Amino acid sequence: GQNIDQPTEMTATEGAIVQINCTYQTSGFNGLFWYQQHAGEAPTFLSYNVLDGLEEKGRFSSFLSRSKGYSYLLLKELQMKDSASYLCAGLDSNYQLIWGAGTKLIIKP
Amino acid sequence: IAGITQAPTSQILAAGRRMTLRCTQDMRHNAMYWYRQDLGLGLRLIHYSNTAGTTGKGEVPDGYSVSRANTDDFPLTLASAVPSQTSVYFCASSDSYEGGELFFGEGSRLTVL
Repeated sequence: GQNIDQPTEMTATEGAIVQINCTYQTSGFNGLFWYQQHAGEAPTFLSYNVLDGLEEKGRFSSFLSRSKGYSYLLLKELQMKDSASYLCAGLDSNYQLIWGAGTKLIIKP
Repeated sequence: IAGITQAPTSQILAAGRRMTLRCTQDMRHNAMYWYRQDLGLGLRLIHYSNTAGTTGKGEVPDGYSVSRANTDDFPLTLASAVPSQTSVYFCASSDSYEGGELFFGEGSRLTVL
């Protein structure tokens, strides 16, 4: 079956760095997405990886290893506004998105 | 700049009633999707449309129907609501069904009593 696994909740300190991991099993693979969702709001796009390696975008970076079925989202210089859920989603061979349940990130001062 | 508009934002509904959630996008995106989001679960796809005039079933289509008469509109209908359909519903669109960034509406919170 198809599956996305990510931790349910993580806590980090303002100004620090946090890494949110995601492992995936999909039927075929056409890329890995990360979305951010603040409480009570809609998800918004953060990143897309289809090739192995690290993609950096400001304070946020996303990494992919296709051979390991693994991705992570790295958030640097954490700010209170980064408190949100982070959703990992894999795109399978039929271009269907398989979503993880999300990681709730709590930032403490 | 509107993007995707959903209506209503919130609704309380008696079981057995019919309900249509509206979704309109102004980005001329080909693909549109309806998801439901429940606590502790990932987004689950209800129905999708790769282009105007076509629709398909997602992971949890039972009890729901959709239509795509034109590019902009993609309404979701609950023919006879049941309490298990209490959820937050998100409409989304993308330029192509072959991947690409999803743009989400603000969500419709539906409570079925």
